[in-house]
Amino acid sequence: DTGVSQNPRHKITKRGQNVTFRCDPISEHNRLYWYRQTLGQGPEFLTYFQNEAQLEKSRLLSDRFSAERPKGSFSTLEIQRTEQGDSAMYLCASSLGGFDEKLFFGSGTQLSVL
Amino acid sequence: GENVEQHPSTLSVQEGDSAVIKCTYSDSASNYFPWYKQELGKRPQLIIDIRSNVGEKKDQRIAVTLNKTAKHFSLHITETQPEDSAVYFCAASIQAAGNKLTFGGGTRVLVKP
Repeated sequence: DTGVSQNPRHKITKRGQNVTFRCDPISEHNRLYWYRQTLGQGPEFLTYFQNEAQLEKSRLLSDRFSAERPKGSFSTLEIQRTEQGDSAMYLCASSLGGFDEKLFFGSGTQLSVL
Repeated sequence: GENVEQHPSTLSVQEGDSAVIKCTYSDSASNYFPWYKQELGKRPQLIIDIRSNVGEKKDQRIAVTLNKTAKHFSLHITETQPEDSAVYFCAASIQAAGNKLTFGGGTRVLVKP
């Protein structure tokens, strides 16, 4: 499968714990995006990378959230001191950038905070 | 920032009929408008997109129209089939500004056989 890959698919954690998700983009895609989707809603933009540089963060991304893309390939999203309101599907997308840019999404990580 | 409104939130059609979903956007600088289909528990899949220099685009049974003046765009699905049942999302972005998509709230389409 050469699509966007996300791990784990599901994560259940207790409130206050830290969690980390991983995203492997489509090979050679230099842009990588993180979105959050709650039930019945459209995805909401969180942050994006151009290669290893994090170029923008949404105001939705509190200080408890941090994302990295150390070598411009895979990315991790960490949530510290999780809260019940963090429960959502976390989606990753990648693109080639440039004029004819299309975003391709992974299947997401479903986070449940108990 | 950009705001995208999508209507209707649910749509039930008989197999073979057409389905139309409408979206409006607020930022006149937006120039890229993709549509995604999301089946239950699966990833959003890009089904068609349109850029602001084009008024209409068609791909088999799917078409999208864009009215830049009114700031609205629509998805048309003709000859609907049961496998078209899913949630459809419209989105808008400014491609020169990182192409960060702002999504509408989604339309749940049910095609009844």
